[in-house]
Amino acid sequence: EAGVTQFPSHSVIEKGQTVTLRCDPISGHDNLYWYRRVMGKEIKFLLHFVKESKQDESGMPNNRFLAERTGGTYSTLKVQPAELEDSGVYFCASSKNPRIAGGTDTQYFGPGTRLTVL
Amino acid sequence: GIQVEQSPPDLILQEGANSTLRCNFSDSVNNLQWFHQNPWGQLINLFYIPSGTKQNGRLSATTVATERYSLLYISSSQTTDSGVYFCAVENAGGTSYGKLTFGQGTILTVHP
Repeated sequence: EAGVTQFPSHSVIEKGQTVTLRCDPISGHDNLYWYRRVMGKEIKFLLHFVKESKQDESGMPNNRFLAERTGGTYSTLKVQPAELEDSGVYFCASSKNPRIAGGTDTQYFGPGTRLTVL
Repeated sequence: GIQVEQSPPDLILQEGANSTLRCNFSDSVNNLQWFHQNPWGQLINLFYIPSGTKQNGRLSATTVATERYSLLYISSSQTTDSGVYFCAVENAGGTSYGKLTFGQGTILTVHP
C-alpha cells in the first residue's frame, strides 16, 4: 500500500509569487490534513478535509492560503502571494474515517514539502 | 487549547544505552501518537497510543490517560535512532476530531 505522497519535495520562490503544493493521501482515506512547521517552531495544524469538505480550517493563517480537495482524492494548498514568513515544511497526513468499522484515528504523514520564500 | 510539553528537549546517548522520553498534556485526549522525524525530515509513525502500553521491537510506549502523560522507551539505542521525536495529541474536548497538537519535540543524538 502506497503511503502519503507530496509534491514537490522542495520549492524555492520569490516573495510575491504563487506556489501550489500537492498531496495524495493513502487510498481509501477520507480524512486529509495539512500541517506546517515554520522557523523551527512546533508543527501546527492548518486544516482538515473529510472527503471533499472542509471539516476544520481554523489553523489557516490568512486568506493567502487556499486549500482544495476536489473529488475527495488529492488535495492542493496554494499560497498566493507568498511571503517570507511562509517558509517552512508543509506536511500532509491522512487517516481512515474512524466512524467506519475498522477505521482508526492514526494519521499517516507524507514526507513534506520544504518551501523557501526569498 | 490543549498544551503538550515534551522532555527532555535534547538527549545525547552512547550506542547501546536506554532512554525514556516524556510527553505531558493538559487535557483529555482521543488520540496520542509518537513520531520519529528522521534526518531527511520524514515523520515516521511509531505508535498510536491514547492509552495503555504497546511494544514494537526496541521501542515501547505507555500512556496513562488519567494522569495525562505518555512515555516512549528506547532500549539498546542505535545511531539510526537519532532524530527528533514528537508527541502529538487530539483533544477529546475539542470542537472537531482529527486535529493533532504537537509538542516541541525531543532531539535525540546517538553516538557510536
